[in-house]
Amino acid sequence: GAVVSQHPSRVICKSGTSVKIECRSLDFQATTMFWYRQFPKQSLMLMATSNEGSKATYEQGVEKDKFLINHASLTLSTLTVTSAHPEDSSFYICSARVLTGGSSYNSPLHFGNGTRLTVT
Amino acid sequence: GNSVTQMEGPVTLSEEAFLTINCTYTATGYPSLFWYVQYPGEGLQLLLKATKADDKGSNKGFEATYRKETTSFHLEKGSVQVSDSAVYFCALNSNSGYALNFGKGTSLLVTP
Repeated sequence: GAVVSQHPSRVICKSGTSVKIECRSLDFQATTMFWYRQFPKQSLMLMATSNEGSKATYEQGVEKDKFLINHASLTLSTLTVTSAHPEDSSFYICSARVLTGGSSYNSPLHFGNGTRLTVT
Repeated sequence: GNSVTQMEGPVTLSEEAFLTINCTYTATGYPSLFWYVQYPGEGLQLLLKATKADDKGSNKGFEATYRKETTSFHLEKGSVQVSDSAVYFCALNSNSGYALNFGKGTSLLVTP
């Protein structure tokens, strides 16, 4: 259980175009999903928290107009990289938490397999 | 904010060697602690977790104990295999509690 599916796994786009990445929780509902970005040989940086039915919460330094997040249903969040530039090339990973009867602090995040974005 | 510091790699070991990857944390309150593993080209998989002091998380031969007195959560395995080659991330709850903050990752290479 607790499968998070991310699509596409790889995408190459030209500079100036927009790219949409989908994140789905396949066997559970996720009111909150998280988008991370991973640079080569570095850790994951939290970009934003996606909230179903409301605006996403962005981390400091993340451009909300560039990284558009939509969480229209309990099983789907999308990240759109608008007007992509080569510096946006990265590995983007979404995650979600299955809420159990206990505190959310104790529940692990389940991750998608990531999307490798290359902007040429 | 809440953060973790883990030893930098890469770590190269021979098969059946003993593994330790150090992780220390700084946090307000009492966060849960996690170890995740990332195989090449894939997302992260939860390896183990501990939710309170003195808890020991274990999975697939890996263990880590939540040490409040030393603010540590070191990952250990008694006998590594080639298939354990991956990047290992230590993580804890963010200050909001909802997201996780990750260490920089430690790359492990196990040779036959």
